[in-house]
Amino acid sequence: SQWGEENLQALSIQEGEDVTMNCSYKTYTTVVHWYRQDSGRGPALIILIRSNEREKRSGRLRATLDTSSQSSSLSITAAQCEDTAVYFCAPRTGGYKVVFGSGTRLLVSP
Amino acid sequence: DMKVTQMPRYLIKRMGENVLLECGQDMSHETMYWYRQDPGLGLQLIYISYDVDSNSEGDIPKGYRVSRKKREHFSLILDSAKTNQTSVYFCASSLWGTGGYEQYFGPGTRLTVL
Repeated sequence: SQWGEENLQALSIQEGEDVTMNCSYKTYTTVVHWYRQDSGRGPALIILIRSNEREKRSGRLRATLDTSSQSSSLSITAAQCEDTAVYFCAPRTGGYKVVFGSGTRLLVSP
Repeated sequence: DMKVTQMPRYLIKRMGENVLLECGQDMSHETMYWYRQDPGLGLQLIYISYDVDSNSEGDIPKGYRVSRKKREHFSLILDSAKTNQTSVYFCASSLWGTGGYEQYFGPGTRLTVL
């Protein structure tokens, strides 16, 4: 799993496999953002989940949020090579701020 | 087309020189951010700006200052750059929507301080 003090995590899978990335955070939040960062580019929001949703789907992406354990997960179904990227969870910490985790580097091989 | 731009994309400076990184957005977002990203780490918030001349320190403001004189522009200034400020700097702007703030990021500026 990822959080600010942890080193970047790395996962390597084959195309077509499912994968889940976990995130645990210290500050209570009601909103967790998941961002994706492609090599050489800035992060981009891919899914946002609120505490009243518990689960959120967007295409092949599925995010969960458990406020009691202060954790969130992002799953990708049938991963494709183009899913190769670094994925960050970013809980909202108050006001306009979010805090980015250390990220999970996902490599999807053909 | 919603866009955040950053200039320059690459910059090499010597220790002690002043550095100016510029960011622009065409979405009329009130809130803008400066982050730095070091290898293997997430993004660390340097400064946040809530609107023109309304700036607030983030988590690592030491050694940096910012300027926002127009809503669409947000500058990051390093007075007398240090080698440990070598990093990739990202600017972002945000909009409140569906319960969360989506941040739109620029492409980044890779700064090397020798």
